[in-house]
Amino acid sequence: GESVGLHLPTLSVQEGDNSIINCAYSNSASDYFIWYKQESGKGPQFIIDIRSNMDKRQGQRVTVLLNKTVKHLSLQIAATQPGDSAVYFCAENIQGSNYKLTFGKGTLLTVNP
Amino acid sequence: EPEVTQTPSHQVTQMGQEVILRCVPISNHLYFYWYRQILGQKVEFLVSFYNNEISEKSEIFDDQFSVERPDGSNFTLKIRSTKLEDSAMYFCASLRLAGKNIQYFGAGTRLSVL
Repeated sequence: GESVGLHLPTLSVQEGDNSIINCAYSNSASDYFIWYKQESGKGPQFIIDIRSNMDKRQGQRVTVLLNKTVKHLSLQIAATQPGDSAVYFCAENIQGSNYKLTFGKGTLLTVNP
Repeated sequence: EPEVTQTPSHQVTQMGQEVILRCVPISNHLYFYWYRQILGQKVEFLVSFYNNEISEKSEIFDDQFSVERPDGSNFTLKIRSTKLEDSAMYFCASLRLAGKNIQYFGAGTRLSVL
């Protein structure tokens, strides 16, 4: 069945370091992936997306990598800041599914000053 | 920047009571969604709504749940007879369906069923 999961439930980094958050998905029909950031008491906030016809996409301080061969997705945050502390979810969108999102369990990122 | 708004931010109710959670999606968006997140767990899809009807619903969305778009701006989720296990954060999301299909989420309503 379809599933999206995360390898690391928690990640603690020092301010200024780079962070890498990983995600695995199992449904090869997924064609669109999004990373969301969720701060305490708030809704998921869009960070970056990538379509299945791409391997890499860069934003401001963030990069998403997609490896379709092993069904793996990662989010890289450069020069991590205390404001980056949050739970990060990857989500997949499956073709013909009314664009509904299937979320992974989330990774808690803690940035230590 | 346009945003999805949800009210109330926190709803406390007794088991068996009806609750209505309200959402105002982004104005030019065409798809609307409800998701829920039980404390400490992942966000789960409940229902999608397009062209004034449900386009898809999950197994969670049973007969106790209903959605409605009563006017041009509001999108509601009704739970007819709440159960303890309905306690969760409920998120509304909307999607424009032109170009990028990014769903934008509201801040959520925390439902506490006592």
